[in-house]
Amino acid sequence: LAKTTQPISMDSYEGQEVNITCSHNNIATNDYITWYQQFPSQGPRFIIQGYKTKVTNEVASLFIPADRKSSTLSLPRVSLSDTAVYYCLVGGYNNNDMRFGAGTRLTVKP
Amino acid sequence: NAGVTQTPKFQVLKTGQSMTLQCAQDMNHEYMSWYRQDPGMGLRLIHYSVGAGITDQGEVPNGYNVSRSTTEDFPLRLLSAAPSQTSVYFCASMEQIGREQFFGPGTRLTVL
Repeated sequence: LAKTTQPISMDSYEGQEVNITCSHNNIATNDYITWYQQFPSQGPRFIIQGYKTKVTNEVASLFIPADRKSSTLSLPRVSLSDTAVYYCLVGGYNNNDMRFGAGTRLTVKP
Repeated sequence: NAGVTQTPKFQVLKTGQSMTLQCAQDMNHEYMSWYRQDPGMGLRLIHYSVGAGITDQGEVPNGYNVSRSTTEDFPLRLLSAAPSQTSVYFCASMEQIGREQFFGPGTRLTVL
């Protein structure tokens, strides 16, 4: 199983760009990298997914280096409503057991 | 589409009681899973299913049973509730393994 390591917490201010890095040294060839966001008392919500290089959608970007041993979630111009826990997962077609780590608790301050 | 639904939202049990947490999805997803989340922690996988009639254990399966008789439903059974099973339980589904998971709103369970 690909284990992930993320910072426990991060602080930021409104309007700043936030980058959260996840390490996954034993990622398998078929594994995708997926990020989720979770607010208190809610289930996690999908943010973005990628396999290699860069992926961008309307809320975030995901940067994956060539060796795929890490990935960085980038949140542009965060607001107070982005305060949440962010989880990095790796898994793919050969991995039926995708596991969440402890996540990164992001606090956005005014 | 309702997405993933879970019932009940809240439940209080006494030690030794049994109950079933219900989960249903209307997206025709093959893959479904159950997680538990303890305060301040990430989600831990209990059981999962890759299709009707196929289930397997996750990280913390002890004390829980599952079955998958239809694509839509994936109930989680607590056989004999223990205080250590006090947690928030989330059900999720996804179209393919490794793709986006859709989570239900959760069931908050307290075992006294």
